[in-house]
Amino acid sequence: AQKITQTQPGMFVQEKEAVTLDCTYDTSDQSYGLFWYKQPSSGEMIFLIYQGSYDEQNATEGRYSLNFQKARKSANLVISASQLGDSAMYFCAMRERTQGGSEKLVFGKGTKLTVNP
Amino acid sequence: EPEVTQTPSHQVTQMGQEVILRCVPISNHLYFYWYRQILGQKVEFLVSFYNNEISEKSEIFDDQFSVERPDGSNFTLKIRSTKLEDSAMYFCATSERGHEQYFGPGTRLTVT
Repeated sequence: AQKITQTQPGMFVQEKEAVTLDCTYDTSDQSYGLFWYKQPSSGEMIFLIYQGSYDEQNATEGRYSLNFQKARKSANLVISASQLGDSAMYFCAMRERTQGGSEKLVFGKGTKLTVNP
Repeated sequence: EPEVTQTPSHQVTQMGQEVILRCVPISNHLYFYWYRQILGQKVEFLVSFYNNEISEKSEIFDDQFSVERPDGSNFTLKIRSTKLEDSAMYFCATSERGHEQYFGPGTRLTVT
């Protein structure tokens, strides 16, 4: 079973508008973390935003905010005032504790965002 | 701002050859990871490394893979005998406390 589900393979948004990228997760852990990364066509993975499971407030970083709904197990990324440079793949990931006691990231399949002028 | 660096950016090798991918972590980070992304697919965890030993490895990380920190700064991933299906982008990630992970720019490995 998938632990991170991103149901939108592709999204389009007009420049300057806001867009929401969906992410749902599955875990039985009480303590976990949720991340969003941006991957432009050049291939690097750029950390955008982090939400801890015990954080009461939604995380925000500039134009990025994370709409965290714990009961629904969703962690949607909201990008406000989209820019052409926001066109990229966006991956949602969950920090998962391993059997060995360390932690790893489990990624979703990604959403390709295209910002139109 | 400190960042994770990886070399080479692109490696082309023949099937059966050994490759070593290198990563320089952010200086105060203690947790190191390798991930792999086959073209067009999601990022997959390979291995985590802390205190000079492997903390966890995935089923992908079989006997042909190894990691080490040879000189206290570089963190390397060795693939002993490459296969065509090893062609992928390999990302190193590092973390100060094991929570937020910062990724390097990746090494694109092409096995021919």
